[in-house]
Amino acid sequence: EPEVTQTPSHQVTQMGQEVILRCVPISNHLYFYWYRQILGQKVEFLVSFYNNEISEKSEIFDDQFSVERPDGSNFTLKIRSTKLEDSAMYFCASRALDRQGTEAFFGQGTRLTVV
Amino acid sequence: ILNVEQSPQSLHVQEGDSTNFTCSFPSSNFYALHWYRWETAKSPEALFVMTLNGDEKKKGRISATLNTKEGYSYLYIKGSQPEDSATYLCALNDMRFGAGTRLTVKP
Repeated sequence: EPEVTQTPSHQVTQMGQEVILRCVPISNHLYFYWYRQILGQKVEFLVSFYNNEISEKSEIFDDQFSVERPDGSNFTLKIRSTKLEDSAMYFCASRALDRQGTEAFFGQGTRLTVV
Repeated sequence: ILNVEQSPQSLHVQEGDSTNFTCSFPSSNFYALHWYRWETAKSPEALFVMTLNGDEKKKGRISATLNTKEGYSYLYIKGSQPEDSATYLCALNDMRFGAGTRLTVKP
């Protein structure tokens, strides 16, 4: 069964360093999303991506964040200069269609720890 | 930005109890509502996608209804089991989630 895969599963980084979280969406999907969950808090929407550009982003997704689909398969989230408060689980999701209301499939997440 | 609200925030029930919880949303600009189940240490799993007013969907002991005119959806679990313990999330249109309802089913 097709699935969304995320790497790495866990990343520890020094404050101020850049990190890139990688996601491989399901191959025929068109819409991609990043979410995060800070420990004990709710799931927060970061950004949605369609047709090689950001379609929507939340107030969390500031200039420190960027997304890219560099090679037609990977979908990456970059945090330029990590802060302690960026420590969270980051989930990637993809889905085939949008307005028709198809379900999204999530990866297993990357746990980012900023020290 | 469309605000999705879920209630209650958490719920504790005994095994065998039936339960339900609510997702409220602004009824304007609606085109789809999603329910997801999220177990600790796993990724969210889709339960239902609902698009039409009056929709009712069922998956085993779990069912959901949708009222787009008044802006709410109910999720029902019949005869709760410990393995139903999870956070149940709803998301509107563009996949923005509510805060979720954390369900704990005690054996």
